[in-house]
Amino acid sequence: NAGVTQTPKFQVLKTGQSMTLQCAQDMNHNSMYWYRQDPGMGLRLIYYSASEGTTDKGEVPNGYNVSRLNKREFSLRLESAAPSQTSVYFCASSETSGVQETQYFGPGTRLLVL
Amino acid sequence: DAKTTQPTSMDCAEGRAANLPCNHSTISGNEYVYWYRQIHSQGPQYIIHGLKNNETNEMASLIITEDRKSSTLILPHATLRDTAVYYCIVITGANNLFFGTGTRLTVIP
Repeated sequence: NAGVTQTPKFQVLKTGQSMTLQCAQDMNHNSMYWYRQDPGMGLRLIYYSASEGTTDKGEVPNGYNVSRLNKREFSLRLESAAPSQTSVYFCASSETSGVQETQYFGPGTRLLVL
Repeated sequence: DAKTTQPTSMDCAEGRAANLPCNHSTISGNEYVYWYRQIHSQGPQYIIHGLKNNETNEMASLIITEDRKSSTLILPHATLRDTAVYYCIVITGANNLFFGTGTRLTVIP
């Protein structure tokens, strides 16, 4: 099992460009999450999907959209990138969104917006 | 969700026990204490969690005080590979993880 995979690993964008970050999990998990981590900070939740077909905003959703394509895949889209979106983006999954569910994280996507 | 307070950094000698404290004085009865760690730029890794009782697994032990206002993560025999940022998180639901800035543990040879 690969666990949680993310593509691309690195990306450089110019202000105003758009891009989609891809995330896939092979653990048959129902819930998936997108976080961002700024330098020296903890992770902050952008969006999550408790189950296939549902998405909800997290702490910092502005400037992002998500799509739960199917049970395996959860993508994050930046429609018009801004320098403030320079960050490391982590995708995670858990079996459900219940209280005792462990989240499994991908390796991250490092995004630089110039 | 209750917020947590952790020391910014700690050192531990290799082979010794690392004891990482966490204060969560506003924790409510149905909130679990979770510990994750993040090794240099990698995705966070789950370590252990508990509600009231002390817990132990192959990685660590979690000691929760009787009033549940604080807890301690214990790595019994720290190795260089345990150097990481350790996050103490108190949650009521998996969609409400609040990582904070964690404790940077450095294991010294």
